[in-house]
Amino acid sequence: DAEITQSPRHKITETGRQVTLACHQTWNHNNMFWYRQDLGHGLRLIHYSYGVQDTNKGEVSDGYSVSRSNTEDLPLTLESAASSQTSVYFCASSEFRDSPRGTQYFGPGTRLTVL
Amino acid sequence: SQELEQSPQSLIVQEGKNLTINCTSSKTLYGLYWYKQKYGEGLIFLMMLQKGGEEKSHEKITAKLDEKKQQSSLHITASQPSHAGIYLCGAVLNAGGTSYGKLTFGQGTILTVHP
Repeated sequence: DAEITQSPRHKITETGRQVTLACHQTWNHNNMFWYRQDLGHGLRLIHYSYGVQDTNKGEVSDGYSVSRSNTEDLPLTLESAASSQTSVYFCASSEFRDSPRGTQYFGPGTRLTVL
Repeated sequence: SQELEQSPQSLIVQEGKNLTINCTSSKTLYGLYWYKQKYGEGLIFLMMLQKGGEEKSHEKITAKLDEKKQQSSLHITASQPSHAGIYLCGAVLNAGGTSYGKLTFGQGTILTVHP
């Protein structure tokens, strides 16, 4: 079955280190998204991509970067991890951009702790 | 302030009781998605509404869209412990351009169902 996976599921790192979170989907979806989930803020969009070589900034993109070299993967990199980036990170993908076909499907999440 | 407000933020009910969760937008809705999240897991897509007055049901969960009020409600009939979790609404608030296909999420409603 097609799916979307994230790795690692849990990560502890130190302030200042570079961290990369992986997201891989086997649906062949063009659109991929990264969110962070924090108590009281719901889900906030970090970066998104509408296809290979396309990347766009979301509402909370500072300190994060993404690259899209193939359809299946959208890795999220924290350039220099900060304690404020301790959060749960979710990756999502969708086949279309227009409603009602633009349903996003989510991965299981990565819990990141920055000490 | 949030563009998408959910109410209530948390809800505790006795098994068998009916309940309603609301999601209100400060902008025009171009599509409204409901998701459910179990603690420590990813978001599971429940249903999507696009047209004013539209109503969809899945098992004991019914969602409605009131276009005039820019609001959606999620109603659970005869709640069960399996309904417990976090319910999130996500909406398409912008049409066209690079914003097309992006979802803005509410902060979530935590539902507890006591047996």
